[in-house]
Amino acid sequence: GAGVSQSPSNKVTEKGKDVELRCDPISGHTALYWYRQSLGQGLEFLIYFQGNSAPDKSGLPSDRFSAERTGGSVSTLTIQRTQQEDSAVYLCASSLSGQLRYGYTFGSGTRLTVV
Amino acid sequence: AQSVTQLDSQVPVFEEAPVELRCNYSSSVSVYLFWYVQYPNQGLQLLLKYLSGSTLVESINGFEAEFNKSQTSFHLRKPSVHISDTAEYFCAVSEDFGNEKLTFGTGTRLTIIP
Repeated sequence: GAGVSQSPSNKVTEKGKDVELRCDPISGHTALYWYRQSLGQGLEFLIYFQGNSAPDKSGLPSDRFSAERTGGSVSTLTIQRTQQEDSAVYLCASSLSGQLRYGYTFGSGTRLTVV
Repeated sequence: AQSVTQLDSQVPVFEEAPVELRCNYSSSVSVYLFWYVQYPNQGLQLLLKYLSGSTLVESINGFEAEFNKSQTSFHLRKPSVHISDTAEYFCAVSEDFGNEKLTFGTGTRLTIIP
């Protein structure tokens, strides 16, 4: 597609439930990133996929968080047993491999609210 | 490890006045530097970037930033702001040796006062 697409745009869930957030990157972009934007916290790196390489999971805050990328394209971020502190905007971005010099293209994000 | 500091969380400025949004980074190697902008209720957009060469870089809407290696800074400036510049601005850094991960600052909210 023309841009990075994320769904849903908004998600309200009850504490303890699992949620799945979806990201569809720009066609041809082999690198995909997940970030979390909390109020007053800036953007926090979560996970990075590059082609068929093992993902860089160094930013995942706990083992309740996981992500996968199927077929080198669509990615799903899963949060199990959600907690109120998980409430944030989850942003996905993609870029051409080795082309960080052109910056990322971000999606519009998924606003997650845990009640 | 790389890090980014944006010293001002909020900057109010009168319309048509100049503005400077400060950004300092920490890295032991060469870096790429970026400014992203997030307008109200929109996603992040790339505003400008420094990769190499001229240390002064410009955007299409009148912003400019200067890479200062000795001061490890990449401050964003505009000589005359408009209401439409109201947004949150994020500085970001990536180390120039194959690490494709961007590290972001905490952002500066720019509010233009009519």
